[in-house]
Amino acid sequence: NAGVTQTPKFQVLKTGQSMTLQCAQDMNHEYMSWYRQDPGMGLRLIHYSVGAGITDQGEVPNGYNVSRSTTEDFPLRLLSAAPSQTSVYFCASRPTQRNYGYTFGSGTRLTVV
Amino acid sequence: AQSVTQPDIHITVSEGASLELRCNYSYGATPYLFWYVQSPGQGLQLLLKYFSGDTLVQGIKGFEAEFKRSQSSFNLRKPSVHWSDAAEYFCAVGARTGGSYIPTFGRGTSLIVHP
Repeated sequence: NAGVTQTPKFQVLKTGQSMTLQCAQDMNHEYMSWYRQDPGMGLRLIHYSVGAGITDQGEVPNGYNVSRSTTEDFPLRLLSAAPSQTSVYFCASRPTQRNYGYTFGSGTRLTVV
Repeated sequence: AQSVTQPDIHITVSEGASLELRCNYSYGATPYLFWYVQSPGQGLQLLLKYFSGDTLVQGIKGFEAEFKRSQSSFNLRKPSVHWSDAAEYFCAVGARTGGSYIPTFGRGTSLIVHP
């Protein structure tokens, strides 16, 4: 029973490089979201998806792309990394029912130099 | 738009003392409310949730929270704190974003427990 799996756990990028943060869940959850966590800022929503093929922007989407080709996977792409994207990234999922809380992954700590 | 305020950045308590963490929300309708806990280097874990019914809800690890509509609050409480409760606590409101209910998080309260 893996829950939400994020890879990698740590990553260092150079400015301008691209990369994909992976997120997979094995609970057949329809809803998936990406958040970034910065000191004193709490969690801010980047992108979310309510099912395969459906994505939408959150509060801070600039510089990030997502796609949802399957129910299980929801990768987050950084097209051209910037130091402002240094953060801890969390993926989370939940069932369709709105009163359920999210299940979170353990996070990816990204540093852009 | 919905918002969540956690007015205390840090709270320090002695082990065995009672605890109350404050959370205020802004939302036009009845919200779905959540408390999460984050241990260092970990993801967030759901402590408890409120969406309807009894305004006093019980959660895991001995925590409870009370929804007060008149005060737009959802404060988290625990009668006796253990050293293992030291962590970051986040309040969240599940409110409509676009056509879906996506939680908005507060900035968190860091709980420090003295022996």
